[in-house]
Amino acid sequence: DTAVSQTPKYLVTQMGNDKSIKCEQNLGHDTMYWYKQDSKKFLKIMFSYNNKELIINETVPNRFSPKSPDKAHLNLHINSLELGDSAVYFCASSQELRENTEAFFGQGTRLTVV
Amino acid sequence: GESVGLHLPTLSVQEGDNSIINCAYSNSASDYFIWYKQESGKGPQFIIDIRSNMDKRQGQRVTVLLNKTVKHLSLQIAATQPGDSAVYFCAESHNNAGNMLTFGGGTRLMVKP
Repeated sequence: DTAVSQTPKYLVTQMGNDKSIKCEQNLGHDTMYWYKQDSKKFLKIMFSYNNKELIINETVPNRFSPKSPDKAHLNLHINSLELGDSAVYFCASSQELRENTEAFFGQGTRLTVV
Repeated sequence: GESVGLHLPTLSVQEGDNSIINCAYSNSASDYFIWYKQESGKGPQFIIDIRSNMDKRQGQRVTVLLNKTVKHLSLQIAATQPGDSAVYFCAESHNNAGNMLTFGGGTRLMVKP
């Protein structure tokens, strides 16, 4: 049973297109995140949602819009894709927002913008 | 800005030896630390965590040491195996950051048979 699952695993698209990445967790967690990992493996938080409510929005272009239809899902929609958006995007979830706990990560979505 | 960083980008060890991966952090408010392992094509996987009220924690073949005085964290892997080859990240968070993890730059561990 996959705890945090993302689709698609690979996404190749042209500049200017709009694309979405889906994420679902079956752990019953209240908090979900999106992280971006660049070509140098550096991982950086993009968004954090708690019970469908946006908690953290790091300095991310407003072309990126997360959507949480329920607390088990956090999708990432990206408008007008640019070459610099090419990266691996990870969804994660954790049980608590206020208490520090480990985050569980999905397998990642490798986005390539051409 | 404040960040978490690693001293060594690549570490090569012989199978059976012990490995030590180091991490420095700069945020004095950090009170929770995690080590993650990332294998090729996969997401980060939790290894071990430690809270700031502790200076040592042991798991199966792994030990995390925390030195708050010098803001240093290390991961020790005993009897390193080929399956330990991966990129290792330290990460930190603090309660007033909404459990948001700040990651270090990663260290690649290569285990030679």
